[in-house]
Amino acid sequence: ETGVTQTPRHLVMGMTNKKSLKCEQHLGHNAMYWYKQSAKKPLELMFVYNFKEQTENNSVPSRFSPECPNSSHLFLHLHTLQPEDSALYLCASSQDPRRSGDETQYFGPGTRLLVL
Amino acid sequence: GESVGLHLPTLSVQEGDNSIINCAYSNSASDYFIWYKQESGKGPQFIIDIRSNMDKRQGQRVTVLLNKTVKHLSLQIAATQPGDSAVYFCALYRGSQGNLIFGKGTKLSVKP
Repeated sequence: ETGVTQTPRHLVMGMTNKKSLKCEQHLGHNAMYWYKQSAKKPLELMFVYNFKEQTENNSVPSRFSPECPNSSHLFLHLHTLQPEDSALYLCASSQDPRRSGDETQYFGPGTRLLVL
Repeated sequence: GESVGLHLPTLSVQEGDNSIINCAYSNSASDYFIWYKQESGKGPQFIIDIRSNMDKRQGQRVTVLLNKTVKHLSLQIAATQPGDSAVYFCALYRGSQGNLIFGKGTKLSVKP
């Protein structure tokens, strides 16, 4: 257990559905991240929140909408997705990405998403 | 832009042998490097890290070597065990951006 939990672990949705992914970290960290992991590609950073403020939006389509109500919780709201959005969505947290010694990221188990 | 590449997408070793997984990076401003292990159905798990002011760091059965001259990073696993079978990623960090950049991963298979 890394101290980062994600729900659901698996999700199947149609292109017209709306769903949300949830991430919670129990490590007392201040930064949280969403990554997309597709087969045979490096992890793609999607969003970064540091102290609840979004500090990075890596040119992600608007059909993905993040929400960070506090430093322990992170959501990814999904709507009108495309089949090519099927992937493993990973959440991570770190203490503070801008401070040396605190930038190590710890990952959750991921949500395996299939868009039909 | 920054790029991180692994030399081999797959590596097969005999149980008990040592494994070496290599990674190359392009930007000499990178100052922090991490190796992650990802088992099937799980998220990446932190293994070991190294800062740019070091060239070697050892953990339990793992050693990371950093050669800044040729911008090369390696992970050595001693006495490889079946439980070491996983995909291994190197990641580098640049303080100016505050983000990790990941390589594609090397799949390590351990033969009994």
